[in-house]
Amino acid sequence: AQSVTQLDSQVPVFEEAPVELRCNYSSSVSVYLFWYVQYPNQGLQLLLKYLSGSTLVKGINGFEAEFNKSQTSFHLRKPSVHISDTAEYFCAVENQGGSEKLVFGKGTKLTVNP
Amino acid sequence: DAGVIQSPRHEVTEMGQEVTLRCKPISGHDYLFWYRQTMMRGLELLIYFNNNVPIDDSGMPEDRFSAKMPNASFSTLKIQPSEPRDSAVYFCASTDGPFNGYTFGSGTRLTVV
Repeated sequence: AQSVTQLDSQVPVFEEAPVELRCNYSSSVSVYLFWYVQYPNQGLQLLLKYLSGSTLVKGINGFEAEFNKSQTSFHLRKPSVHISDTAEYFCAVENQGGSEKLVFGKGTKLTVNP
Repeated sequence: DAGVIQSPRHEVTEMGQEVTLRCKPISGHDYLFWYRQTMMRGLELLIYFNNNVPIDDSGMPEDRFSAKMPNASFSTLKIQPSEPRDSAVYFCASTDGPFNGYTFGSGTRLTVV
């Protein structure tokens, strides 16, 4: 079975600073990888996804993530954050060719301070 | 499309009462998922359907929980009887394929007192 570890439960940063949210996964087969964002009192929204091909994936709101197969990681980055990026971010994994269900990490709460 | 629609947004009920949560997936999406979110356990998959058929209900906590999908545009999650430990936010999500990610509803915040 696959699993996802988000190494930081909370990440505080100042506005316009760069940020990296870390995600490691475990699976015995090839996977698809996703990042979702959850704003307060809302459902999750898809930020970006890695299916195959280029290991650098660009998503909405200026976020990007890099797939590293050897390190089984899929870290999320943004070069300059805004106050509006304050939210919880979830990494998720899905086995290729297996069931269609996503397994989510426990989330990282990003707080952007002025 | 209006997205995935869940109702009610908030539900407060007394222990022992029956609770029914509702979900309308995006038209054309043939996968539907029910998740529960708590501070302690994060996001847990309860059950998912494909073409209205339950595929995996291994996450349903116990017999008090049941889910149905009578047609492609409607699903319910029922808890009977409800207990305080069922208090959580329940999300419904749908997708038209495993590569496309899920679209989530806004959730139902359930409080059992």
